[in-house]
Amino acid sequence: KAGVTQTPRYLIKTRGQQVTLSCSPISGHRSVSWYQQTPGQGLQFLFEYFSETQRNKGNFPGRFSGRQFSNSRSEMNVSTLELGDSALYLCASTRQTSSNEQFFGPGTRLTVL
Amino acid sequence: SQQGEEDPQALSIQEGENATMNCSYKTSINNLQWYRQNSGRGLVHLILIRSNEREKHSGRLRVTLDTSKKSSSLLITASRAADTASYFCATDRTRHAGGTSYGKLTFGQGTILTVHP
Repeated sequence: KAGVTQTPRYLIKTRGQQVTLSCSPISGHRSVSWYQQTPGQGLQFLFEYFSETQRNKGNFPGRFSGRQFSNSRSEMNVSTLELGDSALYLCASTRQTSSNEQFFGPGTRLTVL
Repeated sequence: SQQGEEDPQALSIQEGENATMNCSYKTSINNLQWYRQNSGRGLVHLILIRSNEREKHSGRLRVTLDTSKKSSSLLITASRAADTASYFCATDRTRHAGGTSYGKLTFGQGTILTVHP
């Protein structure tokens, strides 16, 4: 069974631009969560989608948004990029059992110049 | 904000030795999970221990959970150079009405483990 895939793996943008990151979950997994990882703040939860609905959201500004498609693939978008948005963005999928056991993709490394 | 704290922040040992990492958390949980991360790559799921379990084993890994102290430990026995990585604990917190906090894991700050050959 293929793992979680994320595209692109690396991205360089400039301040003020916007970016869209993509995540394909493990087949059969319907829940997708997104996290931001930075050296200063560590791993922080962005949001979670299940059946095309956002069910949970972390403490991030409205510039961070996401969506999920009917095939469970998910995208996250960051508008008006700031230098502080430079981070590793990770998505994780879960089969949505009671355990919330999550399986992570390799991440997208975003650099904002 | 991070739910938990891990200690030590960094651990350096020789191959063959055991490595123990600790994690503390603040709120009630459904379960606690341990992950490994190599050089800023994705997280690899290692083991999950439920709140009603006290100890769990998987290969060279042994995890304990003490809900009264809100703490967990991860023991890696007979370590190898390939175990060099960052290790994170993550908690699935209970919601007010019970049940999981939809897709949200709260991570500790991690322990950087270096195993010297």
